[in-house]
Amino acid sequence: GEDVEQSLFLSVREGDSSVINCTYTDSSSTYLYWYKQEPGAGLQLLTYIFSNMDMKQDQRLTVLLNKKDKHLSLRIADTQTGDSAIYFCAEMWPGGYNKLIFGAGTRLAVHP
Amino acid sequence: DGGITQSPKYLFRKEGQNVTLSCEQNLNHDAMYWYRQDPGQGLRLIYYSQIVNDFQKGDIAEGYSVSREKKESFPLTVTSAQKNPTAFYLCASSIEPTGMVHEQYFGPGTRLTVT
Repeated sequence: GEDVEQSLFLSVREGDSSVINCTYTDSSSTYLYWYKQEPGAGLQLLTYIFSNMDMKQDQRLTVLLNKKDKHLSLRIADTQTGDSAIYFCAEMWPGGYNKLIFGAGTRLAVHP
Repeated sequence: DGGITQSPKYLFRKEGQNVTLSCEQNLNHDAMYWYRQDPGQGLRLIYYSQIVNDFQKGDIAEGYSVSREKKESFPLTVTSAQKNPTAFYLCASSIEPTGMVHEQYFGPGTRLTVT
């Protein structure tokens, strides 16, 4: 079945690293994504990883993919108050049409 | 400035009325999508369109209708048959519906409240 799961809430201190975790069910997914949503706004594509990769780094963001365990994580280094938002994990449905299956989102709260 | 616009940002309607949400993109993208977001849930796909004059149902199409008469526009009508229409609606687009260029870009959303 189609299911992407994330923990609902994460609280970190400013300057620390944040790690947001996600598990997905379809091992044949080709791409996995991380989106960020600020209050009342649309989704902003942060990064994505192709299924044949283990890791992708983009400035403060590091994505790790464990395909065997179907586990995806997003690490944000030096977390800032501006990183406070909801982070969505999504997998591309292998059936085509660029259909994305989203998790429920992890709310990241950054405190001083 | 290229992007996706959705209007209005907030929309209020009485139960039993149809309402149309606007989505326009000037990115020259072929594919467009409508998602619904409910509190504490991920986005769910309502309809998608790969090309002008063509569209397909997503996972929760009942009570909704769309049209794709122009490449840049993909309006969504929430009909009175939709049992629980109050939600945040997000439109997205991608350069092509399948293939190597796969990223979807989202508009700012429309919050619909039906009472």
